[in-house]
Amino acid sequence: EAGVAQSPRYKIIEKRQSVAFWCNPISGHATLYWYQQILGQGPKLLIQFQNNGVVDDSQLPKDRFSAERLKGVDSTLKIQPAKLEDSAVYLCASSLGGGIEQFFGPGTRLTVL
Amino acid sequence: GQNIDQPTEMTATEGAIVQINCTYQTSGFNGLFWYQQHAGEAPTFLSYNVLDGLEEKGRFSSFLSRSKGYSYLLLKELQMKDSASYLCAVRDNDYKLSFGAGTTVTVRA
Repeated sequence: EAGVAQSPRYKIIEKRQSVAFWCNPISGHATLYWYQQILGQGPKLLIQFQNNGVVDDSQLPKDRFSAERLKGVDSTLKIQPAKLEDSAVYLCASSLGGGIEQFFGPGTRLTVL
Repeated sequence: GQNIDQPTEMTATEGAIVQINCTYQTSGFNGLFWYQQHAGEAPTFLSYNVLDGLEEKGRFSSFLSRSKGYSYLLLKELQMKDSASYLCAVRDNDYKLSFGAGTTVTVRA
């Protein structure tokens, strides 16, 4: 089966610019996650969707980050405006509802200059 | 919240055994996971423990003691391709995963 798809794979922007990331989960996976992984750290959950509803966004910096999953399939994560400390890999993952395993996409490496 | 600790780095020789320890303090527990992450790649699932004891899967085994808040991942017959970061993650009762910072394992010939 096809895995989790993400684009772009790399993005370089200047601080205060905006950026958007796209994720297409595994077909049939109701739960979608966005993680931020700063170099040398483990992934940190930003937001979790169940179908098109938000389950948990407690660690999402809502003043600059937003995410949506309008049709319960694809999702976009946006940062506006970006700060230097947003430089990280943004990982998308999906799972079958409350299933055991989360499947991760290849990630988008963001560099903010 | 979750507090998850694991060593930063470990080095071992090809063919040897390495044990990566993970300790956690949680406000809710619904399973412990180990993921492997090669440099520049996404994490991939290795193992899952929700009950105390040892789970064996080929060259990899994972152990859990819920009363001690402790787990380890055992890698046997190390191969060069096992050089990677190993992430310990705890799932809470809302199915939210919290990850440790990862242990970088370097396998030397």
